[in-house]
Amino acid sequence: AQKITQTQPGMFVQEKEAVTLDCTYDTSDQSYGLFWYKQPSSGEMIFLIYQGSYDEQNATEGRYSLNFQKARKSANLVISASQLGDSAMYFCAMREDSVGFKTIFGAGTRLFVKA
Amino acid sequence: ETGVTQSPTHLIKTRGQQVTLRCSSQSGHNTVSWYQQALGQGPQFIFQYYREEENGRGNFPPRFSGLQFPNYSSELNVNALELNDSALYLCASSLGGTADYEQYFGPGTRLTVT
Repeated sequence: AQKITQTQPGMFVQEKEAVTLDCTYDTSDQSYGLFWYKQPSSGEMIFLIYQGSYDEQNATEGRYSLNFQKARKSANLVISASQLGDSAMYFCAMREDSVGFKTIFGAGTRLFVKA
Repeated sequence: ETGVTQSPTHLIKTRGQQVTLRCSSQSGHNTVSWYQQALGQGPQFIFQYYREEENGRGNFPPRFSGLQFPNYSSELNVNALELNDSALYLCASSLGGTADYEQYFGPGTRLTVT
């Protein structure tokens, strides 16, 4: 079974608009962490935002926010005021405390920001 | 810039050969993880080293092996290369610990096996 599912292979958004990238996860752990990374064409994975399973507030980092719905096991990334430089691959990832050494990534969503 | 460096940037090898990829961790980080990212896919965890010991391994055969040195730099070795080993290899360093630690990724080494 897929641990991390990203159902949107590609997304388009108009510059300055907001966009939501979907992520659902599967775990039986009570303690886990959820991450979003950005990967530009250069290849380097850039950490964007983190949400702990026990965090009651949704995480925010600048223009990035994570819409965490624990009961639904979803961790969607919201990018506000999209910029041309946001065009990249975006990966949702999870680390379970029971297997703390391993980060599991989804297949990614390619975001295209249109001018 | 994260401070994690990888070498070489690109590499072309022939099937059956062996390859060594190198990673220099961010200063102060004692944990390094290696990932394989095939074209169009998300990274797949290969293994992790913590203070020079293998700390966990993903679903990769034994011909994928690694080392971590006292300065916490690391190597990934792949023997008997196969065509489907062609991928971007990423290393990530961190302080380790629980599920909330942040990993800092290097720029990757793109390996092509012909």
